[in-house]
Amino acid sequence: DTGVSQDPRHKITKRGQNVTFRCDPISEHNRLYWYRQTLGQGPEFLTYFQNEAQLEKSRLLSDRFSAERPKGSFSTLEIQRTEQGDSAMYLCASSSGTLYGYTFGSGTRLTVV
Amino acid sequence: EDQVTQSPEALRLQEGESSSLNCSYTVSGLRGLFWYRQDPGKGPEFLFTLYSAGEEKEKERLKATLTKKESFLHITAPKPEDSATYLCAVRGEMDSSYKLIFGSGTRLLVRP
Repeated sequence: DTGVSQDPRHKITKRGQNVTFRCDPISEHNRLYWYRQTLGQGPEFLTYFQNEAQLEKSRLLSDRFSAERPKGSFSTLEIQRTEQGDSAMYLCASSSGTLYGYTFGSGTRLTVV
Repeated sequence: EDQVTQSPEALRLQEGESSSLNCSYTVSGLRGLFWYRQDPGKGPEFLFTLYSAGEEKEKERLKATLTKKESFLHITAPKPEDSATYLCAVRGEMDSSYKLIFGSGTRLLVRP
């Protein structure tokens, strides 16, 4: 399967705990994006990497959120001190940087209790 | 600020009953309008990209069209398997990150 892989698919955590999600993009894609989607809404942009460089972060990305893409391969998104408002689907997408659309992964569903 | 508005929020059709979904957009120089399909619990699946007014693209029972202010996704003789949320997104020419700005989607239910 050469699609975008995300792990885990589901995560339930207690408020205040830290969580980390992983994304493996399509290997030849140099651009990687993280989006967040809540129920009934479209995906909202969080952050963008070109190779290993994080080039843009949304105002939605508070100081509790951090993302990395070491060596321009897989990426991780960490949320520290989770809050109930962080409950959402976290989507990863990759692109070859052309004008075409992204390929999305299946997402990680986070529930903070 | 780039913005996308989709209507209706939800649409119920009988199998075979054709209809259209609307996507209105405001963007500083359009560098692509994108349609995605999303099934429950899954990530969006790419359908079409449109770049200029007057452009049309088709795939099976779906046809996407574009004007300077809006796009339509026409569904001809839909089947129950077409039930999903359809998302519209735009990319602006001022955005070097190529990020997409999404609407809230239209939830389509096709009854047999």
